[in-house]
Amino acid sequence: DAMVIQNPRYQVTQFGKPVTLSCSQTLNHNVMYWYQQKSSQAPKLLFHYYDKDFNNEADTPDNFQSRRPNTSFCFLDIRSPGLGDAAMYLCATDRGLGGDTQYFGPGTRLTVL
Amino acid sequence: GQNIDQPTEMTATEGAIVQINCTYQTSGFNGLFWYQQHAGEAPTFLSYNVLDGLEEKGRFSSFLSRSKGYSYLLLKELQMKDSASYLCAVPRSGNTPLVFGKGTRLSVIA
Repeated sequence: DAMVIQNPRYQVTQFGKPVTLSCSQTLNHNVMYWYQQKSSQAPKLLFHYYDKDFNNEADTPDNFQSRRPNTSFCFLDIRSPGLGDAAMYLCATDRGLGGDTQYFGPGTRLTVL
Repeated sequence: GQNIDQPTEMTATEGAIVQINCTYQTSGFNGLFWYQQHAGEAPTFLSYNVLDGLEEKGRFSSFLSRSKGYSYLLLKELQMKDSASYLCAVPRSGNTPLVFGKGTRLSVIA
């Protein structure tokens, strides 16, 4: 059974057109993460929520926003996508305990035309 | 901060053994993870080491030396499906977000 679900799996948008990616989890985990991963690079953390507490990475562009309306769902909003934002976006969750395993969703591949 | 270093690419033959090394620098150690990532897919958890020594799990084993800031992932009896990127990751000190290495792309050839 899927534990971390991401929709859509593939998203195509136009330059400057806002887009929202969604993530849901059935694990009841406290923490949800959003990573950006470009080809042949490590996943780069954009931000994470510990319960309702939002933690933004210092180098995450203002173009990226996130919402977590409840424990199960988390959204990534890209307000004005640029060509450089084309990437795989990975959602992950864990319990928020030191050394806890992160479980990843299948990812959403974003293409910007 | 954290700094993680691992080889970019490796090639090995089907049925052989391969060792993928990872060195790390972290201000507060809270374990080391290995993840496998097939092309176009999400990372999947392989192993977690927090104490020194070797942890064996089927064909995959992971080793940790905290004093040396060093870990390796050992893959035995390689299969074609093991062709993937292998990511080494450590949590930030005092926090849970993982810092990933760039990954080692392993190609298994016949």
